[in-house]
Amino acid sequence: DVKVTQSSRYLVKRTGEKVFLECVQDMDHENMFWYRQDPGLGLRLIYFSYDVKMKEKGDIPEGYSVSREKKERFSLILESASTNQTSMYLCASSVTPDPPDTQYFGPGTRLTVL
Amino acid sequence: RKEVEQDPGPFNVPEGATVAFNCTYSNSASQSFFWYRQDCRKEPKLLMSVYSSGNEDGRFTAQLNRASQYISLLIRDSKLSDSATYHCVVKLPGVSGGGADGLTFGKGTHLIIQP
Repeated sequence: DVKVTQSSRYLVKRTGEKVFLECVQDMDHENMFWYRQDPGLGLRLIYFSYDVKMKEKGDIPEGYSVSREKKERFSLILESASTNQTSMYLCASSVTPDPPDTQYFGPGTRLTVL
Repeated sequence: RKEVEQDPGPFNVPEGATVAFNCTYSNSASQSFFWYRQDCRKEPKLLMSVYSSGNEDGRFTAQLNRASQYISLLIRDSKLSDSATYHCVVKLPGVSGGGADGLTFGKGTHLIIQP
């Protein structure tokens, strides 16, 4: 079974803090993704990576950066957390090719910025 | 990226009823289509892919109409355990050339099956 783990289930930070969200997958997948999920908005793609040290912007990259130094690990960074970044953050991974392009999600990190 | 639009929820239906979800997508270059299911306080998981020929998995049937840019999911003989949020999901062509691209999710439809 594919396993995607995220470093924390719940996180509380203060405005202006630098925040690191870590994601690790154990299936040697090339592709990794970060989404945020908000009520009434669904899941929205922040960034993704298709290889080590490679990254691509998703739909809402502003205020975020990412790091992929190792294949199994993809980090989401909030350089200076703001209250509008309070959300559920979901990491996912996939392999190419992998019909049907299945993405496997981690359990999520619920981040609250005070 | 273009939007994926789904029926607004929640859907409250009695156990045993047939439930139909509809979804439209606006980008004609979309190349792959899925329904994901998300249980309360859990992560989304792939329910089924959607093909033009239609596909069926037990009580679940998915259909794709590329001309109308329309996707559907039918659940027959609904069970209490079908209660969840159902996401219509579309994949656009990979920008990297490697086949990787993020998925575009609809806002999800919350389904509540009542005993």
